[in-house]
Amino acid sequence: QVQLVQSGAEVKKPGASVKVSCKASGYTFTSYGISWVRQAPGQGLEWMGWISGHNGNTNYVQKVQGRATMTTDTSTSTAYMELRSLRSDDTAVYYCARFLATSGTRYYYLDVWGKGTTVTVSS
Amino acid sequence: EIVLTQSPGTLSLSPGERATLSCRASQSVSSSCLAWYQQKPGQAPRLLIYGASSRATGIPDRFSGSGSGTDFTLTISRLEPEDFAVYYCQQYGSSPWTFGQGTKVEIK
Repeated sequence: QVQLVQSGAEVKKPGASVKVSCKASGYTFTSYGISWVRQAPGQGLEWMGWISGHNGNTNYVQKVQGRATMTTDTSTSTAYMELRSLRSDDTAVYYCARFLATSGTRYYYLDVWGKGTTVTVSS
Repeated sequence: EIVLTQSPGTLSLSPGERATLSCRASQSVSSSCLAWYQQKPGQAPRLLIYGASSRATGIPDRFSGSGSGTDFTLTISRLEPEDFAVYYCQQYGSSPWTFGQGTKVEIK
């Protein structure tokens, strides 16, 4: 079945970097993109950006532009999200979710989600 | 950036009642690129509705979406015990994609 399996929880110090992985299975990875969404404790959902599994194009929200890098490894159907210069307000659950990347904007809804990766930033 | 404002913040209802959730956009959402997600504590969000009114695979028909432009609605016709959760709207028609702040549907 279609699933996204994310890497385990991380604890980092302020200023460090974290790289979260999201391994896809059950579908053609290059036909879809992966979006990253985070949720701080007790808060709502915040969209961070996306990467196309089709051509590697990326789009980031301005808030994380320059600190976040989204990549894919099509040979293993895995997407990665690296966040640098971590701050305490980066503490959150980070979700990856897929969207159909090859048929236009109308299909960019997030239909399959990973279970989330908890990233804690604390000194 | 399109700001999505959901109302009410909390909806207190009993099982069997009808729930009506609103999502208002600060500018028109292109091509009705609006989705609704359900999230239960400790779980990832689940897609309910896309394209403003299309039900996702496996979603019961008691969930329905409507609206266009700047005003959208999620209706749950008869609340089941498993429907008590937080609901988010999201627009994906223009960058940056944005989420509403959520509506919590709680048991009265």
